[in-house]
Amino acid sequence: GAGVSQTPSNKVTEKGKYVELRCDPISGHTALYWYRQSLGQGPEFLIYFQGTGAADDSGLPNDRFFAVRPEGSVSTLKIQRTERGDSAVYLCASSLGPIGVSSYNEQFFGPGTRLTVL
Amino acid sequence: GESVGLHLPTLSVQEGDNSIINCAYSNSASDYFIWYKQESGKGPQFIIDIRSNMDKRQGQRVTVLLNKTVKHLSLQIAATQPGDSAVYFCAETDAGGTSYGKLTFGQGTILTVHP
Repeated sequence: GAGVSQTPSNKVTEKGKYVELRCDPISGHTALYWYRQSLGQGPEFLIYFQGTGAADDSGLPNDRFFAVRPEGSVSTLKIQRTERGDSAVYLCASSLGPIGVSSYNEQFFGPGTRLTVL
Repeated sequence: GESVGLHLPTLSVQEGDNSIINCAYSNSASDYFIWYKQESGKGPQFIIDIRSNMDKRQGQRVTVLLNKTVKHLSLQIAATQPGDSAVYFCAETDAGGTSYGKLTFGQGTILTVHP
């Protein structure tokens, strides 16, 4: 079946511009995560959605970053006033949810969006 | 995880050899540990996971060992193949706590398999 898809695959923008990155999770997955991966490093957590609500946004670096998931499926990560330090690969993952007390649900990752801020 | 430099550990093996990739984790409260494989230009791909109440788990050609005493995790790949060449990451999560299953990734290891 279809996996997690992300668009665009590459985004080049200028410093100060606004960008939107889209994630289409696997159908039926209620949990959705955004991660950011810098060159040579492992992914770092940004935000987690359970359904439509952001249950944990503790990983967002500052208020320039915002994410929504209005209908509990597709999610959009929005970055305002982009800076060169925002350049990274932005990964989306989805899993069956909710997370139980004693269970772990495998997270399926998309291919990522490579963001380059010039 | 803590941030790391640009120079990931590397492991080079010959096709057919066994590979062992190591990882140190930091959170004693983590209750699941997962190994991911990431090929160039792709997202991480799940390999195998292990719960904190276990010390060994086997999959197809892969074995994960967990040593909670020293907070150490290893991934063993049997009969390594060129298609196994990738970056391997360990990850931990506190699924039963307040982290909602979010993953904390460790330092990656670049595995190169020579034919």
